[in-house]
Amino acid sequence: DIQMTQSPSSLSASVGDRVTITCQASQDISNYLNWYQQKPGKAPKLQIYDASNLETGVPSRFSGSGSGTDFTFTISSLQPEDIATYYCQQYDNLPWTFGQGTKVEIK
Amino acid sequence: QVTLRESGPALVKPTQTLTLTCTFSGFSLSTSGMCVSWIRQPPGKALEWLALIDWDDDKYYSTSLKTRLTISKDTSKNQVVLTMTNMDSVDTATYYCARIRGYSGYGPIDYWGQGTLVTVSS
Repeated sequence: DIQMTQSPSSLSASVGDRVTITCQASQDISNYLNWYQQKPGKAPKLQIYDASNLETGVPSRFSGSGSGTDFTFTISSLQPEDIATYYCQQYDNLPWTFGQGTKVEIK
Repeated sequence: QVTLRESGPALVKPTQTLTLTCTFSGFSLSTSGMCVSWIRQPPGKALEWLALIDWDDDKYYSTSLKTRLTISKDTSKNQVVLTMTNMDSVDTATYYCARIRGYSGYGPIDYWGQGTLVTVSS
């Protein structure tokens, strides 16, 4: 199985800060990587697909980059409504695997 | 409009078999390339992928759970069923069904059900 290592596990930032989350795959997954946002008590919501494509309706302050084994998810200007846990997920090979999540909080 | 809804028992006893049903609308699992998956999340923990079934009735399972899982579909009812045998307290989790965008599972999860919390306790 492909292991997805996500970091940090949590972070605290101020409104307006740039926030960066990284995800590393245990083997080359090309660009077969998605990012999801999950708010407490809710199902995850797709933010970025294929490593760098913004899902329809998602604000442009969210972005993703990377390919191969190293990926980055960025919030360019953190907003209060962005408080959530974010997960990466690879779909290059079944079984799919998720990262351990990054909890984003407001400082 | 695509919707998915999970149903099943909220409480199961250890060693019992769990059966969950995903009832969906807005798409058909008889459409070439379409897939539905199950994912779970223990309280306060990360997401864990469980199983996937595609339009052609191909089935894929989590490596660690494949001996306990069975996924099936009823295309006429727009339902996907997941069974998990020999339930244990560590299987306590919210179970989600979800649709995959993209042909034959090569794409993101674009729609999720609301999830159903299953507690394993005697």
